[in-house]
Amino acid sequence: SAVISQKPSRDICQRGTSLTIQCQVDSQVTMMFWYRQQPGQSLTLIATANQGSEATYESGFVIDKFPISRPNLTFSTLTVSNMSPEDSSIYLCSVARQTGSYGYTFGSGTRLTVV
Amino acid sequence: SQQGEEDPQALSIQEGENATMNCSYKTSINNLQWYRQNSGRGLVHLILIRSNEREKHSGRLRVTLDTSKKSSSLLITASRAADTASYFCATAFGSGGGADGLTFGKGTHLIIQP
Repeated sequence: SAVISQKPSRDICQRGTSLTIQCQVDSQVTMMFWYRQQPGQSLTLIATANQGSEATYESGFVIDKFPISRPNLTFSTLTVSNMSPEDSSIYLCSVARQTGSYGYTFGSGTRLTVV
Repeated sequence: SQQGEEDPQALSIQEGENATMNCSYKTSINNLQWYRQNSGRGLVHLILIRSNEREKHSGRLRVTLDTSKKSSSLLITASRAADTASYFCATAFGSGGGADGLTFGKGTHLIIQP
């Protein structure tokens, strides 16, 4: 199954600034998924990133706040823009293992604290 | 909103005992998956059960699925201290072709007392 390298692993940022999170996959994948995990909570899907097209955002998430790039089949970035303390969360990327019928592989997560 | 509801939200047992976690979901699914998360890090895929399966085993893990009740259970037998983690169920709505994101339950935080 795919191996995902996600960075940074953690960061502390000032409110009003932006942070870009990167995920590199060791094989080509069609879809990449971005999740947010707020403190003590479960994971919520932010968006699905397909190479060559605009990302598809879930309800409650907008492109201006969470712009996503997918320049090729092995790489994606998620930017958290104009951050506020409410954006403090763990952000994770994920890809399907093989066809998705075997589960999904996750990056190690980025723990973001906004002060 | 979250698809799955899990109970218990927290579970503390002695090492060697069995741990059972339950998950309920609301809509039709293609498959249901269980993941483990250690200390707020990345998730590790444990096991996947398809909608046409009723029970599946993997090592010390046993998963059941009841589509009529829209529920699943994860049993960890002979628990170890290393099993201490948060466990999440997750469902996929689509065809299983890897084109769909997952919807996660709220999770169960399992603590294994030595």
